[in-house]
Amino acid sequence: DAGITQSPRHKVTETGTPVTLRCHQTENHRYMYWYRQDPGHGLRLIHYSYGVKDTDKGEVSDGYSVSRSKTEDFLLTLESATSSQTSVYFCAIGDVSGGNTEAFFGQGTRLTVV
Amino acid sequence: DQQVKQNSPSLSVQEGRISILNCDYTNSMFDYFLWYKKYPAEGPTFLISISSIKDKNEDGRFTVFLNKSAKHLSLHIVPSQPGDSAVYFCAASDTGANNLFFGTGTRLTVIP
Repeated sequence: DAGITQSPRHKVTETGTPVTLRCHQTENHRYMYWYRQDPGHGLRLIHYSYGVKDTDKGEVSDGYSVSRSKTEDFLLTLESATSSQTSVYFCAIGDVSGGNTEAFFGQGTRLTVV
Repeated sequence: DQQVKQNSPSLSVQEGRISILNCDYTNSMFDYFLWYKKYPAEGPTFLISISSIKDKNEDGRFTVFLNKSAKHLSLHIVPSQPGDSAVYFCAASDTGANNLFFGTGTRLTVIP
């Protein structure tokens, strides 16, 4: 395993409630990513971080915010969950800047918004 | 708009034959490409990659081909094995921006 843990692994929440997903790594990677996986859409990049307090938006960032106060933790927050945010969320770590390595993925968090 | 596209949602191949999975991209800034394999209820796992300075990279039964002018890459698996049955994702990166974009995936089924 690449030393990446997502929590929780499963969550059911109600529409309009805030939700925070946590990604924790023990590999000291500079880069961390949040993706969502949906049928017909594959994996879509939500936000990514290239260092502590350095983050940027991906393809589907609306409705999501992130924070990275420590190298090892990357948090994804849904400020007010909607049914369209029901998905499987994956965190990844890695540094593809040199074009010679890969990103490693966590096991995923299945989020259901009812 | 999807920058990385896999137009075949599924592919079935007989065991021992070649599997060819295709991927197209639109962003000319992408310079690093990867293939991932995903089993149900697990995270994607890295399979093979290729830099834009190459047009081919091999690793055992897996070979990735890159055609930059066509903005197209493909993954060849020879010979295909039942354990290769999974969803395969193509990914592309603009290493200067450090993003990493994925396609929609192709479900490969290898029939024994």
